[in-house]
Amino acid sequence: QSVLTQPPSASATPGQRVTISCSGSSSNIGSNFVYWYQQLPGTAPKLLIYRNNQRPSGVPDRFSGSKSGTSASLAISGLRSEDEADYYCAAWDDSLSGHVVFGGGTKLTVL
Amino acid sequence: QVQLQESGPGLVKPSQTLSLTCTVSGGSISSGGCYWTWIRQHPGKGLEWIGYIYYSGSTYYNPSLKSRVTISVDTSKNQFSLKLSSVTAADTAVYYCARRAPSALTEFDPWGQGTLVTVSS
Repeated sequence: QSVLTQPPSASATPGQRVTISCSGSSSNIGSNFVYWYQQLPGTAPKLLIYRNNQRPSGVPDRFSGSKSGTSASLAISGLRSEDEADYYCAAWDDSLSGHVVFGGGTKLTVL
Repeated sequence: QVQLQESGPGLVKPSQTLSLTCTVSGGSISSGGCYWTWIRQHPGKGLEWIGYIYYSGSTYYNPSLKSRVTISVDTSKNQFSLKLSSVTAADTAVYYCARRAPSALTEFDPWGQGTLVTVSS
């Protein structure tokens, strides 16, 4: 059972916009930055969004992040087949002297 | 740019200690204020943070694993290591090392390719 809650799956067709949610609590998302990671099949995760809504260089602007209260979202517009991957949210949790928590991951299928 | 590579045994017997090393290339493990991190992923499952270390030796561990985990650093070799004691089949996972950005508690970039460790007799 992950501390951050994500839907296990999402799907959309090429060109569409899809949103993946990440729900937490006041001790994690509510008081700390949210990060998103993309894991393509058979590869290591890669940083996709940092500090709620910032994109590292090289990440297309089709990817965007947002946060409101104790929830966060990752949006992908103009969906492409190469976006098919697992997506994880992460945040620092202030409880238990502080630790990193991840969401359970959302498998995105491009139909 | 900085690259990380995990190494270590792919098979560990139950009750023994899992030991892995991460070699950092393209940059010094002692510079930049970064923390050096271990994260694991059980087969077909999500990510689990194990802990991280600063080059000075300061460590932060996942409370659920703290009693069994030791992360250490060897600045002379530009490496950091993970030891997980008293392993069981539940510790079978792909283990990743990653760099944590300065002052960014959950920003991990880049990651190593990962190494699968199986716990079995």
